[in-house]
Amino acid sequence: AQKVTQAQTEISVVEKEDVTLDCVYETRDTTYYLFWYKQPPSGELVFLIRRNSFDEQNEISGRYSWNFQKSTSSFNFTITASQVVDSAVYFCALSEANAQGGSEKLVFGKGTKLTVNP
Amino acid sequence: EAQVTQNPRYLITVTGKKLTVTCSQNMNHEYMSWYRQDPGLGLRQIYYSMNVEVTDKGDVPEGYKVSRKEKRNFPLILESPSPNQTSLYFCASSPWTGGYEQYFGPGTRLTVT
Repeated sequence: AQKVTQAQTEISVVEKEDVTLDCVYETRDTTYYLFWYKQPPSGELVFLIRRNSFDEQNEISGRYSWNFQKSTSSFNFTITASQVVDSAVYFCALSEANAQGGSEKLVFGKGTKLTVNP
Repeated sequence: EAQVTQNPRYLITVTGKKLTVTCSQNMNHEYMSWYRQDPGLGLRQIYYSMNVEVTDKGDVPEGYKVSRKEKRNFPLILESPSPNQTSLYFCASSPWTGGYEQYFGPGTRLTVT
């Protein structure tokens, strides 16, 4: 069965610090998809990134970067030079492919609450 | 504007009184899903639908029903709500499965007393 573990329940940093949010996943499939979502204090869920299991390239988007390592089943998220606006709950999620290449279930980790203090 | 809408946004009700939370998307998405979010538990999938008239259970379907009679709508029905269904509910849609990101509605905060 698929499972996502976000071991860090809460992280608090001071503005401009770098911070890494950990995500470890479990799956028996060779084809799967990984996601990160952000939930700011306003409550909505914002999509950040998607990765498929065949693409291990790290990605950078502005101050955000993601490190996907299949060898350790991890998909970690780093915010460089954090800002107060980065304060949110961040969720990692996993979706396994079915026989047709699609996927039905999206399993979320329990989330990491990041607080960036001025 | 492409969006997923949910109504109501907030609801306080009593045990046993049937209620429906509506969900509608205007993006012609095939796939729709319902989640509940509880403190310390993250988001858990309740039901999903891969197309009209096709629905299936997620991880926590007990006490809920859904229907998908039209592509754009995917209502969540609580026939006899109980206090343990007090939660924040999200509806989501995506173009198809296969790893597309899901677009989430704004959430419905439900309290059952």
